[in-house]
Amino acid sequence: DSGVTQTPKHLITATGQRVTLRCSPRSGDLSVYWYQQSLDQGLQFLIQYYNGEERAKGNILERFSAQQFPDLHSELNLSSLELGDSALYFCASSVEQWGDTQYFGPGTRLTVL
Amino acid sequence: ILNVEQSPQSLHVQEGDSTNFTCSFPSSNFYALHWYRWETAKSPEALFVMTLNGDEKKKGRISATLNTKEGYSYLYIKGSQPEDSATYLCASNRDDKIIFGKGTRLHILP
Repeated sequence: DSGVTQTPKHLITATGQRVTLRCSPRSGDLSVYWYQQSLDQGLQFLIQYYNGEERAKGNILERFSAQQFPDLHSELNLSSLELGDSALYFCASSVEQWGDTQYFGPGTRLTVL
Repeated sequence: ILNVEQSPQSLHVQEGDSTNFTCSFPSSNFYALHWYRWETAKSPEALFVMTLNGDEKKKGRISATLNTKEGYSYLYIKGSQPEDSATYLCASNRDDKIIFGKGTRLHILP
């Protein structure tokens, strides 16, 4: 158990819908990272937040957005969902920023039908 | 190299044997190199983070080295055990991004 929690574990929804994935980092960690793992690709970095502020952006689509709240939990919002958005979404946290060990949560499996 | 590449893709090793595999990454604007162990149906587990050229890290029977000038890292496993069966991922931090390789899938044969 890494200490990072993600909810829900599984999510099934329809195309065009909007969902929110939630992540609680390890106690004391200030950075949260979001990743997408789809069948045909490796882990893709989406976005990083540090102490409530966006710090780095990866391959995140405009239909996706995220935020980190004052209690440091983070939410990833996915809208206008398409079949291709079906994937495993991981959240990770670290004490500070790049160069620190990242601890991964168990992931949220999103299925878009 | 613009991507992170790992070789081999898959490896079968007899229990008790030692093995190693490679991660190649862009050497420009390098910041850090991460190694993860990823078992099926679980999430990636951090093994090492290395930042300096020549870094060597060790955790039990697993160790790693880093060459930032030529852009490669090796992961070594000594005396492989069945519980070492997993996918080993490396990831390179550069330009405020992190890029993962596709992993080396390690199978330990009894």
